[in-house]
Amino acid sequence: DAGITQSPRHKVTETGTPVTLRCHQTENHRYMYWYRQDPGHGLRLIHYSYGVKDTDKGEVSDGYSVSRSKTEDFLLTLESATSSQTSVYFCAISDQTGITYEQYFGPGTRLTVT
Amino acid sequence: AQKITQTQPGMFVQEKEAVTLDCTYDTSDQSYGLFWYKQPSSGEMIFLIYQGSYDEQNATEGRYSLNFQKARKSANLVISASQLGDSAMYFCAMRDADDYKLSFGAGTTVTVRA
Repeated sequence: DAGITQSPRHKVTETGTPVTLRCHQTENHRYMYWYRQDPGHGLRLIHYSYGVKDTDKGEVSDGYSVSRSKTEDFLLTLESATSSQTSVYFCAISDQTGITYEQYFGPGTRLTVT
Repeated sequence: AQKITQTQPGMFVQEKEAVTLDCTYDTSDQSYGLFWYKQPSSGEMIFLIYQGSYDEQNATEGRYSLNFQKARKSANLVISASQLGDSAMYFCAMRDADDYKLSFGAGTTVTVRA
């Protein structure tokens, strides 16, 4: 299994508070991603990174920011949490070995915004 | 924008029988990759199989095979000899060859009956 951890695994927070989720990898993979999973939508890309300090927006980036100061860590911040950000958040990694660029996923973080 | 469609929200299959999960995609690119992931009730995302758009043969991985019909833009997953442990949600995803991001379908829930 790819070495990917996410913290915290569960979090309940109040509307308006900032929240930071952490993704940590031990695979030295170049690419890292944050997705959210909601019923009926599959996984939707929030932000991604293609190297240290190199990040870009995904499909549903409003209300989220990211940072990557080290290869192994990718942080997702909800600047002011809203109830619509209640979701399961997945981190994923991939690299250029082979041709598939398959992504490997962390265990997920369940976030509830009350 | 890429779009993945999985039209079957849920399916039931008898143990030891085969099941086909539908996936259609929309892209104007000639080079792309198609993926299937499994998400059991425990929540983790597991990479199952990959098909490249230029691959002449359908991909197979153990009991999983991908029925790739390029002209119809379909990439159906076939699970043979279903087992109780195959009960899960299955996601189809696509990557543009010039990119490393994935677009996911909404998923299909498979329930295997004994």
